[in-house]
Amino acid sequence: DTEVTQTPKHLVMGMTNKKSLKCEQHMGHRAMYWYKQKAKKPPELMFVYSYEKLSINESVPSRFSPECPNSSLLNLHLHALQPEDSALYLCASSQDQGDPGANVLTFGAGSRLTVL
Amino acid sequence: AQSVTQPDIHITVSEGASLELRCNYSYGATPYLFWYVQSPGQGLQLLLKYFSGDTLVQGIKGFEAEFKRSQSSFNLRKPSVHWSDAAEYFCAVGARGGNNRKLIWGLGTSLAVNP
Repeated sequence: DTEVTQTPKHLVMGMTNKKSLKCEQHMGHRAMYWYKQKAKKPPELMFVYSYEKLSINESVPSRFSPECPNSSLLNLHLHALQPEDSALYLCASSQDQGDPGANVLTFGAGSRLTVL
Repeated sequence: AQSVTQPDIHITVSEGASLELRCNYSYGATPYLFWYVQSPGQGLQLLLKYFSGDTLVQGIKGFEAEFKRSQSSFNLRKPSVHWSDAAEYFCAVGARGGNNRKLIWGLGTSLAVNP
């Protein structure tokens, strides 16, 4: 299995809602990532988990809350989002190389989020 | 400051024509170099990477890239483009050494293919 699976594919939520994005991989990768991507832009790193511990938080607003229940699963909990948070949210995973810069990312297809 | 430049925002080629997408980087040493492709509505997929050794690297889908240290470039090429190659192409660099797992991305090149 060489896939990263993200659910849901599409999500529409109001600014007062609470929702979650889910990501799963069964490649034995020990690093998992959340990226945010606006249209026609490169992905922006949000969070990185390494061996189920949060290792990078790119100063993301607290209305985004990541969770890594185990080495195969990654969640992104959403609460009180703003319309400008509408974007494609990509999950990725990688083997945790000795040199982190060499990590090859395997991406999921993304969850397209619309905040009304 | 570290940066990646993809000079061409948008390129249109005819099916069967050759393709070269440019990528230049600014970095203190030779970084790890990557090309990713994103088809419409999809996630990103690794096309190829350069870490060391032979400066001409082969990737998936018939793509290749050449690392030129003197020009700080890592250009992507394909001899004959197929309609299915229409996509967004991103060049990225990873830091060598240290504990920095954050990739630096170019802004991307959007490729359109005419039949």
